[in-house]
Amino acid sequence: GQQVKQSSPSLTVQEGGISILNCDYENDMFDYFAWYKKYPDNSPTLLISVRSNVDKREDGRLTVFLNKSGKHFSLHITASQPEDTAVYLCAAGANTGYQNFYFGKGTSLTVIP
Amino acid sequence: EAAVTQSPRNKVAVTGGKVTLSCNQTNNHNNMYWYRQDTGHGLRLIHYSYGAGSTEKGDIPDGYKASRPSQENFSLILELATPSQTSVYFCASGPGQLNERLFFGHGTKLSVL
Repeated sequence: GQQVKQSSPSLTVQEGGISILNCDYENDMFDYFAWYKKYPDNSPTLLISVRSNVDKREDGRLTVFLNKSGKHFSLHITASQPEDTAVYLCAAGANTGYQNFYFGKGTSLTVIP
Repeated sequence: EAAVTQSPRNKVAVTGGKVTLSCNQTNNHNNMYWYRQDTGHGLRLIHYSYGAGSTEKGDIPDGYKASRPSQENFSLILELATPSQTSVYFCASGPGQLNERLFFGHGTKLSVL
């Protein structure tokens, strides 16, 4: 089965609003969670990541919330800008000795000016 | 900035032909990865490597081989290409610690006719 799921393939937000992207995972052993951003015809780049020993991490306009009991994590983007328009991939993994992250299918975020 | 370079950027192959996708990284990272990305799927791991001379099967290795002749280079080989292998392929490198980011190449768009 799919280890990491992004249930919303797309999201549209007004400029200045808050974008909330969600991700669910299946494996209780996952202890690392990340969000990557991808522009069309470009490579994914890491936005923000968090370990399982915290339930929240902030970096500027970005906040990751982790709910381990619910096997869910989310990315909140405040004051959304048109340049935030991209595909957002969530990823989760466990410390198996190599970095095998399971990626979600992606959520396409569109920020309307 | 860490650099991962893939070649070619685009490739058209015939069914049954041999295809080699190349990846070079200047990060001096131990770990390298090959993923494919298809509509309706997240990034899926094909093969990975811990270092020169090592190759390991990922989640979807069937129909693919990998080669890591040096720290810098990691190739993905399709001995007998099939139309189902039409996809966008991403190479990535990572230092080998779970909480470190993956650095992706720009991707190779492969069409097998």
